[in-house]
Amino acid sequence: QSALTQPASVSGSPGQSITISCTGTSSDVGAYDFVSWYQQHPGKAPKLMIYDVNNRPSGVSNRFSGSKSGITASLTISGLQAEDEADYYCSSYTSSITWVFGGGTKLTVL
Amino acid sequence: QLVESGGGLVQPGGSLRLSCAASGFTISGYWMHWVRQVPGRGLVWVSRINSDGGSGSTNYADSVKGRFTISRDNAKNTLYLQMNSLSADDTAVYYCAAGTVSYWSLGYWGQGTLVTVSS
Repeated sequence: QSALTQPASVSGSPGQSITISCTGTSSDVGAYDFVSWYQQHPGKAPKLMIYDVNNRPSGVSNRFSGSKSGITASLTISGLQAEDEADYYCSSYTSSITWVFGGGTKLTVL
Repeated sequence: QLVESGGGLVQPGGSLRLSCAASGFTISGYWMHWVRQVPGRGLVWVSRINSDGGSGSTNYADSVKGRFTISRDNAKNTLYLQMNSLSADDTAVYYCAAGTVSYWSLGYWGQGTLVTVSS
């Protein structure tokens, strides 16, 4: 149950787009279209932003989008806003009937 | 909302039972999870229980298998996590979460309860 691999940090200026990658294995990300993404502000609970690779829950801005290719999933945030500054985590269902999270990526809006 | 309780300070080798009470919605139709986070570190999935909590309906991370037990009482709209043989490595904020959007994601989270294992 090794954690999915995410970059430790990414940054972008307001209005720009950024992409956060999430690399797993053929037993998790590569095996199922069950990747989700979570946003966590300091001291707060995580919030679901993308589920099942590329679906947005009701109320989540369409500036957030997800995709997957092989064993790597990606979260793209377009039109960066100051409020997007947070930690982002990917997660995947696995063939062991467990879930695994990535190590998290700190997004800084410059 | 989901409200966790039962956290606190416990000695190594001790036990603790966490509760997660739901209000404003019923948990009975949803898979429920526990996720933990060491302050300043990343999220770690702990356990899942399916909607009815029947036989074969629970799954655990290897790090807690055999020590933690997840259960639910749909009549009380409450999720539980019984934690035994605790060690310092179990120190974390524990979140409960519900699969309200899809089976495979955690759509709604509580605010967490801190468990500290220390002598």
